[in-house]
Amino acid sequence: DIQMTQSPSSLSASVGDRVTMTCRASQYISTYLNWYQQKPGKAPRLLIHTTSSLQSGVPSRFSGSGSGTDFTLTISSLQPEDFATYYCQQSYHTPYTFGQGTNLEI
Amino acid sequence: EVQLVESGGGLVQPGGSLRLSCTASGLTLSTYWMHWVRQVPGKGLVWVSRISPDGSRTAYADSVKDRFTISRDNPKNTVYLQMNSLEADDTAIYYCVRDSPVGATRLESWGQGTLVSVSS
Repeated sequence: DIQMTQSPSSLSASVGDRVTMTCRASQYISTYLNWYQQKPGKAPRLLIHTTSSLQSGVPSRFSGSGSGTDFTLTISSLQPEDFATYYCQQSYHTPYTFGQGTNLEI
Repeated sequence: EVQLVESGGGLVQPGGSLRLSCTASGLTLSTYWMHWVRQVPGKGLVWVSRISPDGSRTAYADSVKDRFTISRDNPKNTVYLQMNSLEADDTAIYYCVRDSPVGATRLESWGQGTLVSVSS
């Protein structure tokens, strides 16, 4: 199985900050990498698919990059509603494994 | 707004069985790959299983293989997860998720989840 490792596990930031979090795959996954946002008590929400494509309705302050094994999610200017947990997921091969999450907190 | 609705969760003893169901209002599921993802409250997401639109192709996480079976009844617009030989480690919220209709796999639309608790 492909292992996904996210860093950092938690991240403290302020409104208006630019933040970047990373996701590393244990083997090559091309650009088959998705990012999700989850708030407490809610189901996850798809933010970015295939590394860098913004899902419909997601603000443009979110962006993704990378290829192969190393990927990043960047939020250009944090808004209060962005404080949440972020998960990466590979869709290159089943089982479609997730990273352990990055908890973005104030 | 289209919603996925899971049902069938509850408390079950170790070794027992449960069948989860997922249906949608305002959407025909028969054209979509469908997935189940689980999450222990307070922990991370774990992909469990997926099924093709016609039900002929399935895949499972190693942790549930040979115990769980995903299936679908397209005329009933319902996807199922049959869970047998349940263990305490299967305790989690189970989400039904719709894949994108085009392109690479991505978990585009999520239900609200149903809680499965395995305990004696």
